[in-house]
Amino acid sequence: AQSVTQPDIHITVSEGASLELRCNYSYGATPYLFWYVQSPGQGLQLLLKYFSGDTLVQGIKGFEAEFKRSQSSFNLRKPSVHWSDAAEYFCAVGAYGGATNKLIFGTGTLLAVQP
Amino acid sequence: EPEVTQTPSHQVTQMGQEVILRCVPISNHLYFYWYRQILGQKVEFLVSFYNNEISEKSEIFDDQFSVERPDGSNFTLKIRSTKLEDSAMYFCASRETGMNEKLFFGSGTQLSVL
Repeated sequence: AQSVTQPDIHITVSEGASLELRCNYSYGATPYLFWYVQSPGQGLQLLLKYFSGDTLVQGIKGFEAEFKRSQSSFNLRKPSVHWSDAAEYFCAVGAYGGATNKLIFGTGTLLAVQP
Repeated sequence: EPEVTQTPSHQVTQMGQEVILRCVPISNHLYFYWYRQILGQKVEFLVSFYNNEISEKSEIFDDQFSVERPDGSNFTLKIRSTKLEDSAMYFCASRETGMNEKLFFGSGTQLSVL
């Protein structure tokens, strides 16, 4: 069965420090992978996605993620965190088939940024 | 950037009452979805809708739930007789055609069942 695991429920980093949020997936075929961010009172915003090709994908707001098939991982990184990055981050795998193309989400990682 | 609009942002209801959550997807989108997130849990797929019919639904989406696109612009989720466990944030989403089209989410409706 398809699933996504985000092992870190809550992470705190200092502003300017680097960030890595972990994501592991379980999917039978080549996965379509996504990272979404949810700020308080906001909807889910797509940060980046991986469908094929280069395993290092660049997203918005300076984020990047690397697909590692051997580790079934798709970790999100940012070299220098800003206070405005404080939010909840969701990794998702696309379960594509037919007309549905639904997303299966992880439980999320809540990021706090210290000044 | 175009937006998916959801109303209301918060809804409080009594157990057993009917609620309708409303969504206005992006105008040229053809695929519509409802997801929900119970506090502290994963965002879960509920239902997908295409060409005026449900294309897939999850186990959560039982007979108490229904969706409708009544007028070509709105997309609604109805819960006929709410239960305490229906309390959650409900997200509407839409996309264009194609397998890799971006999914746009609304900001959600927080439903509280008392």
